[in-house]
Amino acid sequence: GAGVSQSPRYKVAKRGQDVALRCDPISGHVSLFWYQQALGQGPEFLTYFQNEAQLDKSGLPSDRFFAERPEGSVSTLKIQRTQQEDSAVYLCASSLSRPPPYNEQFFGPGTRLTVL
Amino acid sequence: AQKVTQAQTEISVVEKEDVTLDCVYETRDTTYYLFWYKQPPSGELVFLIRRNSFDEQNEISGRYSWNFQKSTSSFNFTITASQVVDSAVYFCALSGFETGGFKTIFGAGTRLFVKA
Repeated sequence: GAGVSQSPRYKVAKRGQDVALRCDPISGHVSLFWYQQALGQGPEFLTYFQNEAQLDKSGLPSDRFFAERPEGSVSTLKIQRTQQEDSAVYLCASSLSRPPPYNEQFFGPGTRLTVL
Repeated sequence: AQKVTQAQTEISVVEKEDVTLDCVYETRDTTYYLFWYKQPPSGELVFLIRRNSFDEQNEISGRYSWNFQKSTSSFNFTITASQVVDSAVYFCALSGFETGGFKTIFGAGTRLFVKA
C-alpha cells in the first residue's frame, strides 16, 4: 500500500502483559515518529527515528516503553508490564525528510490499546 | 517550552456557514513551522498546511484559508461554506528545532460538527 500501516488496529491487554505494536512506514521515508494520543487529546510525541537511529526518545513515559527500527524501515513499539494508564491510541507517522522534522508527516490509522 | 493552545474544544455549525478555528502558540525559536492536520472519524491525521515563521502571507486553498500573525502568535484556520464532510477534529501543531528538537507539539484539537 501507499500509506503508513499499523498493526494490530486494536489490542486488548491484561494489566501486566507485554504488547508489541508494529508500524510500516511509507517506503523510502527516512523519518519515523511514534505518538500517543489519549482520548480527546492531541498526539503526544514519544520517539523519533532517522533511518535505524533513534535520535530522540525523550517522550517515552517510562522505561517500560521501548521502540526499535533495526533496518530503517519497519518499527516496533513495545510496552512491557502494561498498566491502565497506557490505554491510548498509538500513532505512527513517517516523513521523507531528514531532521529537523519540518516537513509534513504521513500518519497511520493507529493502534488502539486498551489495558484492563 | 513550546506550547500550542486551541481554546475551542467543539464547534457546531450549519452547512454553508463559515467557521474559524483558533490556534495560539508559544515558542522561543526564531525559526519554526506551524501545521494544521485534520483527523476524520477514521482516525488518520491528514496534513493540511505548513507555514514557516518567516512567511506571514495568508494562504487560500479552495474553501480553506489560513491567517498567520506573528504579532499575536496565532495561526487561525477558516473554512468557508462548510460542508458535512468537514466534520472532524482539527489539530494545530508546532515544530521548532532550537528548543523542540525533533518533536512536533500538537494542540488538544477542535472538534468541528457540520450539520446538514
